[in-house]
Amino acid sequence: GQQLNQSPQSMFIQEGEDVSMNCTSSSIFNTWLWYKQDPGEGPVLLIALYKAGELTSNGRLTAQFGITRKDSFLNISASIPSDVGIYFCAGQLSGSNTGKLIFGQGTTLQVKP
Amino acid sequence: DSGVTQTPKHLITATGQRVTLRCSPRSGDLSVYWYQQSLDQGLQFLIQYYNGEERAKGNILERFSAQQFPDLHSELNLSSLELGDSALYFCASSVEGGRGNTIYFGEGSWLTVV
Repeated sequence: GQQLNQSPQSMFIQEGEDVSMNCTSSSIFNTWLWYKQDPGEGPVLLIALYKAGELTSNGRLTAQFGITRKDSFLNISASIPSDVGIYFCAGQLSGSNTGKLIFGQGTTLQVKP
Repeated sequence: DSGVTQTPKHLITATGQRVTLRCSPRSGDLSVYWYQQSLDQGLQFLIQYYNGEERAKGNILERFSAQQFPDLHSELNLSSLELGDSALYFCASSVEGGRGNTIYFGEGSWLTVV
C-alpha cells in the first residue's frame, strides 16, 4: 500500500534552535498537509500545500511541496517550548478523487528550555 | 478549535459490546472522514462520506459501520468490541469530498475496551 516515510522519528533540541523534518514517498501526491498533535488532542492543521514547488509560511513554520511531488519538508525556526508535540505529514494521492489522507508516522519534538 | 465536534470524549466499555461515536462537521463542510489512531498503527483512514453518500473506504473492519445523516452529522458504530479496538477515533471534515481540500480534525473520542 501507499506509505509516507517521515523522518526523523524524534528530535530533542535546545530552545532557539531550528528544526527540519520531511516526508518522502514512492507515490505522487497532489496535496500535502502538515499537522501538529498534542497528547490526547486532535491533529491541528499547520500548513496546507497544493502545488509542486509551493513554499508556504505560517509564522515560524515553513513548508514546501517538493518538485517531484513525492516529498515535502517542514521547518520550524527559533523553536520555543510550546513547539513540543508530534508533527505529522499527510498527503492526498494524485489520481484519487477522494479527500482520503495518508499519514506519515510522525516526528516527536521535544524542546529543552 | 477546529469546529469539528466529537462525542463522547472518553468511553470505557467491555468486550463484546457496541458503541456509537458521533461527529458534527464544521459548518458548511459536506464531507466527513473517520480515522483510527492506535500506538502501533498511527493514523489510519477508515471511511469517508460526502453529502450523505459513502465516498471512500479504508481498512475498516466489518464489525464497524458508519453513516452520514441529512443534517451532515455522522456516526461511527463499533460492534462486538475487542481489546484491540481500544484507540483514539477521530472525525474530520472538509468542504468538498475530493482532493485539494483542507481537512480539519476534531479532538477525538478515546475508546477503551476492557
